[in-house]
Amino acid sequence: DAEITQSPRHKITETGRQVTLACHQTWNHNNMFWYRQDLGHGLRLIHYSYGVQDTNKGEVSDGYSVSRSNTEDLPLTLESAASSQTSVYFCASSSGLTYGYTFGSGTRLTVV
Amino acid sequence: KQEVTQIPAALSVPEGENLVLNCSFTDSAIYNLQWFRQDPGKGLTSLLLIQSSQREQTSGRLNASLDKSSGRSTLYIAASQPGDSATYLCAANTGNQFYFGTGTSLTVIP
Repeated sequence: DAEITQSPRHKITETGRQVTLACHQTWNHNNMFWYRQDLGHGLRLIHYSYGVQDTNKGEVSDGYSVSRSNTEDLPLTLESAASSQTSVYFCASSSGLTYGYTFGSGTRLTVV
Repeated sequence: KQEVTQIPAALSVPEGENLVLNCSFTDSAIYNLQWFRQDPGKGLTSLLLIQSSQREQTSGRLNASLDKSSGRSTLYIAASQPGDSATYLCAANTGNQFYFGTGTSLTVIP
């Protein structure tokens, strides 16, 4: 069965370190998205991609970057982790504008 | 910017009751609206997707309606069960992304 997988499930890192969260989907979806979920804010879009070599900034992109070298993967990098980036991160994918999202199980990141 | 609001933030009902969860959005120019369920510490599970041209969608005991002109969607849960306890999120798709509400936390009491 097709799926969308995030790794790691949990991560603790120190302030200032670079961290990369992985997202891998086997749906063959063109569109992929990264959200963060925080109490009181709901889910907020960080970055998204409509296909290979395409990346776009979302609402809360500062301090984050993504790259899309193939259809299956959209890794999210925190360039220099900050305590404000402690959150739960979700990756999602979709076939296109008229289709819904499929979500991964999330990565809980703690920056100490 | 699209704003999505869900009221109430929390709801507690006895088992067997029918209930309605509300979702409102400020920009009616949406492609579709999706309802999700999220269990504590888990990811989001898609429940229903309603296209902008549709009025409602049904799946088992769940029925979602969409009124674009008034910027409203409702999720109707029939004959609620304790297993329905979760947070329910709605998300409105403006074309380049989904905008999410903060959810309604539902507790169904046995």
